[in-house]
Amino acid sequence: DTAVSQTPKYLVTQMGNDKSIKCEQNLGHDTMYWYKQDSKKFLKIMFSYNNKELIINETVPNRFSPKSPDKAHLNLHINSLELGDSAVYFCASSDGQGAISAGYTFGSGTRLTVV
Amino acid sequence: GESVGLHLPTLSVQEGDNSIINCAYSNSASDYFIWYKQESGKGPQFIIDIRSNMDKRQGQRVTVLLNKTVKHLSLQIAATQPGDSAVYFCAEIYSGSARQLTFGSGTQLTVLP
Repeated sequence: DTAVSQTPKYLVTQMGNDKSIKCEQNLGHDTMYWYKQDSKKFLKIMFSYNNKELIINETVPNRFSPKSPDKAHLNLHINSLELGDSAVYFCASSDGQGAISAGYTFGSGTRLTVV
Repeated sequence: GESVGLHLPTLSVQEGDNSIINCAYSNSASDYFIWYKQESGKGPQFIIDIRSNMDKRQGQRVTVLLNKTVKHLSLQIAATQPGDSAVYFCAEIYSGSARQLTFGSGTQLTVLP
């Protein structure tokens, strides 16, 4: 069983399109995140949701909108895609209890390519 | 803003040798420091962490050292194996930041046969 699963794994789309990436975790964690990894492999937090409530919203263009229908799911919708949005997007979850760092689990990523 | 950085972007070691990957951090209020391993096409995988009130922690073939005086973190891998080839990231968590991870820029470790 995959703990944190993302779909799709690869996404190639044209500039100006709208696309969504889905994430689901079966770990019972209460917090989910989206991270972006750029071409230089630098990872940066985008959003964090705790029990369906947004608790972090870093400086991300408002073309990016996270949606959490329940605490096991966190989707990322991107409007009007731009070339600079090309990156690998990682979903993660954490349980927030005890050793918070060990409970942090990442999905395998979605490679978005905007052409 | 504050960030976590690495001294070496690439590191090549002979199979069987020990590897040391270094990291500098700047947020003295961070509660945990973590090392992640990322293999090609996969997400970051937890290796080991250390709380800010410790200076050393050992796992299976890995040791993390924390020097708060100079804000330095290192990962030591004993008897490096080909399967250890990956990008390694250090990261920090500050409990006041809703548990977001702040990552360093990564080091590519290549194990030579």
